[in-house]
Amino acid sequence: QKEVEQDPGPLSVPEGAIVSLNCTYSNSAFQYFMWYRQYSRKGPELLMYTYSSGNKEDGRFTAQVDKSSKYISLFIRDSQPSDSATYLCAMRTNTGNQFYFGTGTSLTVIP
Amino acid sequence: DGGITQSPKYLFRKEGQNVTLSCEQNLNHDAMYWYRQDPGQGLRLIYYSQIVNDFQKGDIAEGYSVSREKKESFPLTVTSAQKNPTAFYLCASRLTGGYNQPQHFGDGTRLSIL
Repeated sequence: QKEVEQDPGPLSVPEGAIVSLNCTYSNSAFQYFMWYRQYSRKGPELLMYTYSSGNKEDGRFTAQVDKSSKYISLFIRDSQPSDSATYLCAMRTNTGNQFYFGTGTSLTVIP
Repeated sequence: DGGITQSPKYLFRKEGQNVTLSCEQNLNHDAMYWYRQDPGQGLRLIYYSQIVNDFQKGDIAEGYSVSREKKESFPLTVTSAQKNPTAFYLCASRLTGGYNQPQHFGDGTRLSIL
């Protein structure tokens, strides 16, 4: 079983829709959770960084962490064509130096 | 501007050849990482370094080598022992210690076989 599972999609939504992206994980020691956006032929760009459980909001983006279910989500409100990209979740433990990534979900927002 | 610079953007390797990918950062980050990205497989860790002159193998280190002679630089050599080197290579860095900071990435090098 992989440490982090992420549905690869592809996911296609109309402009203005609310998008929900999700990851599950198996290691209950994970404490730090990240979401990255990656455009084609570019490096991942950090979108959200959260610690432990709870919600964090930044503009149109909301990250949720449910440690009891080992489940994290990224919500994108009022989605735009410029949001079309691959979204990667990542996580690590409190003391570890390694990060564990999902395989990424490909999102297309149709104008 | 502060950031992580990877070069070249595209690289071609001939059979039996070693090639070196460059990664330079001016963020004063302590730790640096190399990942390989293949379609459908996500990011796989090759090597990482927490401090100068020290580095650790990741999950797929075979056929690769690194050095960390300067804090700013973490070059990756893809040796001829790596039989399937075609991939997108990503370098990342972060502050360590008590900062608990996430990784930041460069824009990658795409390596192909000639």
